[in-house]
Amino acid sequence: QQQVKQSPQSLIVQKGGIPIINCAYENTAFDYFPWYQQFPGKGPALLIAIRPDVSEKKEGRFTISFNKSAKQFSLHIMDSQPGDSATYFCAASSITSGTYKYIFGTGTRLKVLA
Amino acid sequence: DTEVTQTPKHLVMGMTNKKSLKCEQHMGHRAMYWYKQKAKKPPELMFVYSYEKLSINESVPSRFSPECPNSSLLNLHLHALQPEDSALYLCASSQDRGAREQYFGPGTRLTVT
Repeated sequence: QQQVKQSPQSLIVQKGGIPIINCAYENTAFDYFPWYQQFPGKGPALLIAIRPDVSEKKEGRFTISFNKSAKQFSLHIMDSQPGDSATYFCAASSITSGTYKYIFGTGTRLKVLA
Repeated sequence: DTEVTQTPKHLVMGMTNKKSLKCEQHMGHRAMYWYKQKAKKPPELMFVYSYEKLSINESVPSRFSPECPNSSLLNLHLHALQPEDSALYLCASSQDRGAREQYFGPGTRLTVT
């Protein structure tokens, strides 16, 4: 119940395409859903995050869509560029009764072709 | 300054060695975290410090010993590690434990021989 399932494992798109990465969770206590971008040899960097009272959030070329009833959320990257080639992790977090959870999905390796 | 720094970048140690990883942030954040990341895997939370007090220990073996000397510094002391402990160790910080936006450092690549 603590898992966050992420798909696809890898993704190749052409420059300008719109890659979509999906995540699903089970634990309804999760109340914060971030997306991180990680380049080789670097730490993850927070891209965008959403809370369950919002169905969509957009920041620049990145959009999160959130479906609370389905317990799913996804990341869309508009007008993708070769510089977006990286590994993307979704995550889910909760703080309940003093218990802190921050669970990452398994990651998606994105390659954007020039 | 939105940077979390970690030293060293790389560390090779034997199973009988004692070493320490260091993490520093100057963003005034009051929560700091240690994660372990194996190759091609997601980060896994190990420890959470809130206001210099250990608040979460995710059942990590005692050969890993965290320390928070002050609000800007976080150490991870390593002793009698196993080869399977080889991984990227990431430090992160957030404004406080309730603020879930975490800022990660570049990590320390640890190899245990």
